[in-house]
Amino acid sequence: ILNVEQSPQSLHVQEGDSTNFTCSFPSSNFYALHWYRWETAKSPEALFVMTLNGDEKKKGRISATLNTKEGYSYLYIKGSQPEDSATYLCAFNSWGKLQFGAGTQVVVTP
Amino acid sequence: NAGVTQTPKFQVLKTGQSMTLQCAQDMNHEYMSWYRQDPGMGLRLIHYSVGAGITDQGEVPNGYNVSRSTTEDFPLRLLSAAPSQTSVYFCASSLMGQVSGNTIYFGEGSWLTVV
Repeated sequence: ILNVEQSPQSLHVQEGDSTNFTCSFPSSNFYALHWYRWETAKSPEALFVMTLNGDEKKKGRISATLNTKEGYSYLYIKGSQPEDSATYLCAFNSWGKLQFGAGTQVVVTP
Repeated sequence: NAGVTQTPKFQVLKTGQSMTLQCAQDMNHEYMSWYRQDPGMGLRLIHYSVGAGITDQGEVPNGYNVSRSTTEDFPLRLLSAAPSQTSVYFCASSLMGQVSGNTIYFGEGSWLTVV
């Protein structure tokens, strides 16, 4: 049973459109929330590590917000490009251990 | 920069065979860990180490052994491979464990098939 849930499981986006998806996690014993971008046959790439309620992080066209009180984080992709196609993983850090969600697979079509 | 290096990238094993997945990092990270990735399951922690000579079990340790004789290396041993161990394995490392939200660096993964 995953305590960290990501939704949707997959989504298809038209090139140029913006999109977002969710990571839900327990609101207690929070240390940090990680976002990773993973392309098959490559290493998961760290996007953000978020530690404070209300944190907002941005990296190029990708940004993330964090609400630790209600236990969710959103990842946003603005103006999606084909190279954004990947699986986006979130991981909840509690008591020093990471628990990963199953990921949201994003497919951007030209 | 080499970062986290895993070998082999692909391996096919017969049931009952043993093998070792190698992992090395050159970032002087204290914390190293092994995960397996299965469809719909996310990344699950197998074993981890907070420094040379110290290892501990994660969420799914059965059927796997680890050792940490040096800071750089953290091999994962499959003692007697089973089809249920068919998976993608990732080695990861970070500074000072995972408590303070340090970035975790991953290897490129090892695809293991047990027939």
